[in-house]
Amino acid sequence: GQQLNQSPQSMFIQEGEDVSMNCTSSSIFNTWLWYKQDPGEGPVLLIALYKAGELTSNGRLTAQFGITRKDSFLNISASIPSDVGIYFCAGREGGSEKLVFGKGTKLTVNP
Amino acid sequence: GAVVSQHPSWVICKSGTSVKIECRSLDFQATTMFWYRQFPKQSLMLMATSNEGSKATYEQGVEKDKFLINHASLTLSTLTVTSAHPEDSSFYICSATPGLADYEQYFGPGTRLTVT
Repeated sequence: GQQLNQSPQSMFIQEGEDVSMNCTSSSIFNTWLWYKQDPGEGPVLLIALYKAGELTSNGRLTAQFGITRKDSFLNISASIPSDVGIYFCAGREGGSEKLVFGKGTKLTVNP
Repeated sequence: GAVVSQHPSWVICKSGTSVKIECRSLDFQATTMFWYRQFPKQSLMLMATSNEGSKATYEQGVEKDKFLINHASLTLSTLTVTSAHPEDSSFYICSATPGLADYEQYFGPGTRLTVT
């Protein structure tokens, strides 16, 4: 099925560093969502974006809906060990209730 | 708010038997529920979209007779894996959407199915 291009695939960082990951699509999306998944668990919604250009924060997390509506990024500031996990972007095209998922970014934080 | 539960969290069954997985929205009514399958180290793959009182819409390549979905109420959807085989072993996750204009999907904790 259709998938988004999510990068990087994995990241290894030191505690305290900032992190940035992004997703791009060939299609225009009306909604961008960012999720975090821990091993053996379901994804947890972090941030939802509904308007082009929208910049939304959730604690140390900030995400933006790209102006072209074909991309989005997620930033994590001052990373901590519990930020470890897999982060997925997901997009929704207009007229559809289904989400298209990226392949995920695996984040490792070294204390 | 927006809590989704799944039961069981893990199940082991013998080849040829059927397994039912329940997905419940605990604190909201879900107009739509979705069923995903996830293989190790891979992303989520949508299997089907389920609306209360309607037949589920299956994604291409997903056998509707093998993966039976019932959405009996606004808070409950079930996935039954019929005549399970080892290749059906996977992590099955459901999600639910609260409202018609709200496209945020809230996921359950997943069910690990192992078919021996």
